[in-house]
Amino acid sequence: KAGVTQTPRYLIKTRGQQVTLSCSPISGHRSVSWYQQTPGQGLQFLFEYFSETQRNKGNFPGRFSGRQFSNSRSEMNVSTLELGDSALYLCASSSPPGQGILSYNEQFFGPGTRLTVL
Amino acid sequence: KQEVTQIPAALSVPEGENLVLNCSFTDSAIYNLQWFRQDPGKGLTSLLLIQSSQREQTSGRLNASLDKSSGRSTLYIAASQPGDSATYLCAVLNQAGTALIFGKGTTLSVSS
Repeated sequence: KAGVTQTPRYLIKTRGQQVTLSCSPISGHRSVSWYQQTPGQGLQFLFEYFSETQRNKGNFPGRFSGRQFSNSRSEMNVSTLELGDSALYLCASSSPPGQGILSYNEQFFGPGTRLTVL
Repeated sequence: KQEVTQIPAALSVPEGENLVLNCSFTDSAIYNLQWFRQDPGKGLTSLLLIQSSQREQTSGRLNASLDKSSGRSTLYIAASQPGDSATYLCAVLNQAGTALIFGKGTTLSVSS
């Protein structure tokens, strides 16, 4: 079974631009969540989607948004980029209970997208 | 607000040593707890998952325990190897099952 894939793997943008990152979950997984990792703050939760609905959102400004499509693929968008948005953005997928046998809500992560804002 | 703390922040050991990484959390209302490994510049690899009703899980040389009442988990690594060098992250899944809260990690270095 293929793992979680994220595209692109690397991005360089300038302040004020916007960016869209993509995540394809493990086949059959319907929950997708996004995390930001920085050296200072560590890993922080951005948002989680299940069946195209945002179920939870972390403490990030409205410049950060996301969506999920009917095939469970997800995108996140960051508008008006700031220098502090430079980070590794990680996507995780999981199979919530009730979706299948031995579905323990284990989170599986992709390789991440490294965003650099200049 | 759930907070996860990992001690120590860094650890250096010689090859072959057994070691314990510690994780503590402030709110016992969790769905589950996961231990991850992260190599520099890479994504996270799931090592062990412990359901909130379980006490421990084992995989090869790794053993993780969970004591929800005291808000603690430990990751035991037996007979450490240089290939175990990485950052180990502990994370609790909130009770709704929608968000992981991470500790800052323990960076392990195993010398040959």
